[in-house]
Amino acid sequence: TQLLEQSPQFLSIQEGENLTVYCNSSSVFSSLQWYRQEPGEGPVLLVTVVTGGEVKKLKRLTFQFGDARKDSSLHITAAQPGDTGLYLCAGAGGGGTSYGKLTFGQGTILTVHP
Amino acid sequence: NAGVTQTPKFQVLKTGQSMTLQCAQDMNHNSMYWYRQDPGMGLRLIYYSASEGTTDKGEVPNGYNVSRLNKREFSLRLESAAPSQTSVYFCASREIAAGELFFGEGSRLTVL
Repeated sequence: TQLLEQSPQFLSIQEGENLTVYCNSSSVFSSLQWYRQEPGEGPVLLVTVVTGGEVKKLKRLTFQFGDARKDSSLHITAAQPGDTGLYLCAGAGGGGTSYGKLTFGQGTILTVHP
Repeated sequence: NAGVTQTPKFQVLKTGQSMTLQCAQDMNHNSMYWYRQDPGMGLRLIYYSASEGTTDKGEVPNGYNVSRLNKREFSLRLESAAPSQTSVYFCASREIAAGELFFGEGSRLTVL
């Protein structure tokens, strides 16, 4: 059973457009992380959110943790080709899992065309 | 800065063969993890080691065994490979339970 549902699975947009990726669950998570992965490499952490309602910004990327700590979103403003990659959300401590184990969503493959 | 190093990067096996994936980290992290990544499935946890001397099953442990050799090294063994184990395997480590996961570059395994 996948505890974290990411949508959309695929996103193909033009440079300059805005986009939002969603990460939803029926479980409450103690924290949630977003990773970005490029082909042939391992995922790299973008952000960790821990408080319900928390909003964090990283340049053109805005991350939000839902008030109930069951969902999160990643919004990219004015996407650039360099944003192309696989985006993964990962929750800690959800669905009765131990605090140390992360549950990953299926990922969103983002392609930004010049 | 090596970080997390995995070997081999590529491997082709025949059904029934065995092999070990090696992982080493030089960040003095307590916890280490093995994940597999398949298209549309994200990353699924195979086994993890919260600290030296302990190992626990993750979501998909069947067909795998692990050894936490010391604080630096965590190996994953396939005793009798099956085509369903064709995947990209990632080793990861982190300092604390809610901290950042640092990943290796991955090992692409094909089982024929």
